[in-house]
Amino acid sequence: QKEVEQDPGPLSVPEGAIVSLNCTYSNSAFQYFMWYRQYSRKGPELLMYTYSSGNKEDGRFTAQVDKSSKYISLFIRDSQPSDSATYLCAPKKGGNTPLVFGKGTRLSVIA
Amino acid sequence: DAGITQSPRHKVTETGTPVTLRCHQTENHRYMYWYRQDPGHGLRLIHYSYGVKDTDKGEVSDGYSVSRSKTEDFLLTLESATSSQTSVYFCAISAGIGTSGIGETQYFGPGTRLLVL
Repeated sequence: QKEVEQDPGPLSVPEGAIVSLNCTYSNSAFQYFMWYRQYSRKGPELLMYTYSSGNKEDGRFTAQVDKSSKYISLFIRDSQPSDSATYLCAPKKGGNTPLVFGKGTRLSVIA
Repeated sequence: DAGITQSPRHKVTETGTPVTLRCHQTENHRYMYWYRQDPGHGLRLIHYSYGVKDTDKGEVSDGYSVSRSKTEDFLLTLESATSSQTSVYFCAISAGIGTSGIGETQYFGPGTRLLVL
């Protein structure tokens, strides 16, 4: 079993839809839960982060972690064509430990 | 922008030739990382460095070596390139998570696309 599982999609939604992206993980030592967004032929960029369990909201984006079920979610409200990208979940342990990436989910938002 | 540059940005080489990729940072970060990204595998850690001359292996280190003689430069070398090393290579540095002060995460460079024929 890989440490982080993520459905690679692709996922295609109409503009304005609510998008739900999810990952599961197996390592209970993970403390930080990152979401990166990667546009085509670009490097990943940090989109959202959560420390331990709970929710974090930033504009149209909400990151959610349930440590009891080892489940990570990213919700995008009122999705826009500019949200079309690959979304990577990446939990990590504390300190400068490396990220462990899911495979990424490719999202297309159709105008 | 984490002040990371990678060179070259694109490279085509032949099987069996040595290849060196360079990562350069301008903000004096101690930790640096090399990842590769492949379809169906996502991003996987190759090697990382926690200081000048201090390095450690990652998940997919076979066939790769690294060196760090200066804080700002982290080199990845493919001693004898193989077709399985065709990939996109990303360098990253570790820095604080935004302005939160709660921990560190990695910030990535623009990547190097390597094709081994």
